[in-house]
Amino acid sequence: SQQGEEDPQALSIQEGENATMNCSYKTSINNLQWYRQNSGRGLVHLILIRSNEREKHSGRLRVTLDTSKKSSSLLITASRAADTASYFCATGTGFQKLVFGTGTRLLVSP
Amino acid sequence: DSGVTQTPKHLITATGQRVTLRCSPRSGDLSVYWYQQSLDQGLQFLIQYYNGEERAKGNILERFSAQQFPDLHSELNLSSLELGDSALYFCASSVGGLGSPLHFGNGTRLTVT
Repeated sequence: SQQGEEDPQALSIQEGENATMNCSYKTSINNLQWYRQNSGRGLVHLILIRSNEREKHSGRLRVTLDTSKKSSSLLITASRAADTASYFCATGTGFQKLVFGTGTRLLVSP
Repeated sequence: DSGVTQTPKHLITATGQRVTLRCSPRSGDLSVYWYQQSLDQGLQFLIQYYNGEERAKGNILERFSAQQFPDLHSELNLSSLELGDSALYFCASSVGGLGSPLHFGNGTRLTVT
């Protein structure tokens, strides 16, 4: 069963626009991570936010975490065509058992 | 390149057969994870090993088994294969501490006919 649910399931934007993806989860977590997957390839780690953090930045990525609402958001600013991929949130509970959400498919058109 | 190597890349086999998927983790990583990705089930956590010992178990069928060897490589054995086992199987590794990111291989695409 999935721990996280991403929203929206699919997102289509133009280059230069911002893309926001949301993740909701069900149980208490130690950390939340975002990963990216290009079609048919392995997932690539983007950013990690710990349960005691509220916001984190990495380049064009901004992640927020609201543990009271059990939700997180990933913002990609100034999107590029190369950002086209699926994005997954993953929640860490216990000894680094990472459970992935269902993913958001992002399409960035030139 | 994540540093995680999975072999084979593709595998086509018949129902009822048994296959072994192999994973070499990134140098220095002690933890290995196996995930199954299919269109209708998303990315499902199967099992995790840390330095040779099983640490966490997910939705792994009894027909599936895994192990991590002393050299830290891992194998996932799938037996009595069914059509529904067709999927991408990913191995990932990490240093193993709480919050350490996972590094994924490019997966083995299993097709059961």
